[in-house]
Amino acid sequence: NAGVTQTPKFQVLKTGQSMTLQCAQDMNHEYMSWYRQDPGMGLRLIHYSVGAGITDQGEVPNGYNVSRSTTEDFPLRLLSAAPSQTSVYFCASSYSSGGPPGETQYFGPGTRLLVL
Amino acid sequence: AQTVTQSQPEMSVQEAETVTLSCTYDTSESDYYLFWYKQPPSRQMILVIRQEAYKQQNATENRFSVNFQKAAKSFSLKISDSQLGDAAMYFCAYRRAYSGGSNYKLTFGKGTLLTVNP
Repeated sequence: NAGVTQTPKFQVLKTGQSMTLQCAQDMNHEYMSWYRQDPGMGLRLIHYSVGAGITDQGEVPNGYNVSRSTTEDFPLRLLSAAPSQTSVYFCASSYSSGGPPGETQYFGPGTRLLVL
Repeated sequence: AQTVTQSQPEMSVQEAETVTLSCTYDTSESDYYLFWYKQPPSRQMILVIRQEAYKQQNATENRFSVNFQKAAKSFSLKISDSQLGDAAMYFCAYRRAYSGGSNYKLTFGKGTLLTVNP
């Protein structure tokens, strides 16, 4: 079981460039989500999905797109990178339930993004 | 909206001593989960301990235990016999205990950086 994997680990972009952050999980989790972590801010939810073909916005969705074509994968797209998107991005997944076993989310190792 | 507050940006403890990290939260819900996550310098988010609001008994995991005070909306983490490997950023997080996509969101505090002195 690889758990939640993310690629790349680190990326440098220029303002205006686009890129896709990859996230995959092999635990058959229905729920997947993306968070960003900024200094002094904790983690904030960008987008989430409760299954293939179903996505919705979190609290900081602007500038990001997502899609969910399979249960395993949940890529995050930056359409036109801005310096304000410099951050560490985490993907997380869980079963889709109010209580056990879905109450706990498992995180990937993170992607550090620097936008110049 | 739910909020989570960690009032101690930084804490330090001597190796083998005990330290308590504070967390308070605000919610109008009656059923929810609370978590402590550890983030070492590797940046990996590691679940330390979880507590369901309906369970009155405080959760424990080896050297880690919580003091859950539901009425006071307080959820502190106690680390006993601190080890050098406990040095990390610790995040308190909240999640509603209901089904439905928007309920699965984790709301995080801003974190407490724990230093362990040898």
